[in-house]
Amino acid sequence: AQSVAQPEDQVNVAEGNPLTVKCTYSVSGNPYLFWYVQYPNRGLQFLLKYITGDNLVKGSYGFEAEFNKSQTSFHLKKPSALVSDSALYFCAVRGVTGYSTLTFGKGTMLLVSP
Amino acid sequence: EAGVTQFPSHSVIEKGQTVTLRCDPISGHDNLYWYRRVMGKEIKFLLHFVKESKQDESGMPNNRFLAERTGGTYSTLKVQPAELEDSGVYFCASSSGTSPSYEQFFGPGTRLTVL
Repeated sequence: AQSVAQPEDQVNVAEGNPLTVKCTYSVSGNPYLFWYVQYPNRGLQFLLKYITGDNLVKGSYGFEAEFNKSQTSFHLKKPSALVSDSALYFCAVRGVTGYSTLTFGKGTMLLVSP
Repeated sequence: EAGVTQFPSHSVIEKGQTVTLRCDPISGHDNLYWYRRVMGKEIKFLLHFVKESKQDESGMPNNRFLAERTGGTYSTLKVQPAELEDSGVYFCASSSGTSPSYEQFFGPGTRLTVL
């Protein structure tokens, strides 16, 4: 069975500082990895995905994520945080075989202070 | 292009009552998914439709939950009778294909509270 772990319930960072939201995964075979963001009273919005190729994936709003196969991690990063980045972030995985459903982590709340 | 819409946005019902949630996917998307997030926990898969057929319903918690997608357009998820543990946010998503290159687009969710 596949699974995702987001070890931090909340991440606090000051505006302008770099941010990292951690994600590790477990899946049979090569993974497909995703990050979604949920702003208050909004649905999940797709940020970025890793399918194959370059381990550093760039996505929306200046976010990027690095796929590390040996550490089974897919941490979300941004060089300079904005207050407007404050939201709930979900990491998700799906396997190469089987159905197309996503397995999510429990989410990490990112709070960026002015 | 309109996104995935869900109705209602909030529902508060008493234990034992029935509630029906509706999802309208993006037009032309054959794949429709239901997910649920119980407070503070993971978003968990419930089921997947391809057009009007259930491709995978392995995540449905029990037979109190019934999902339909007549005509392959909108979908409904009925909970009957509702229990306290059914409270959570129910998300619907749609995609035009099932390979990883096809993004799943999510709706805003329906927050269900069972008292």
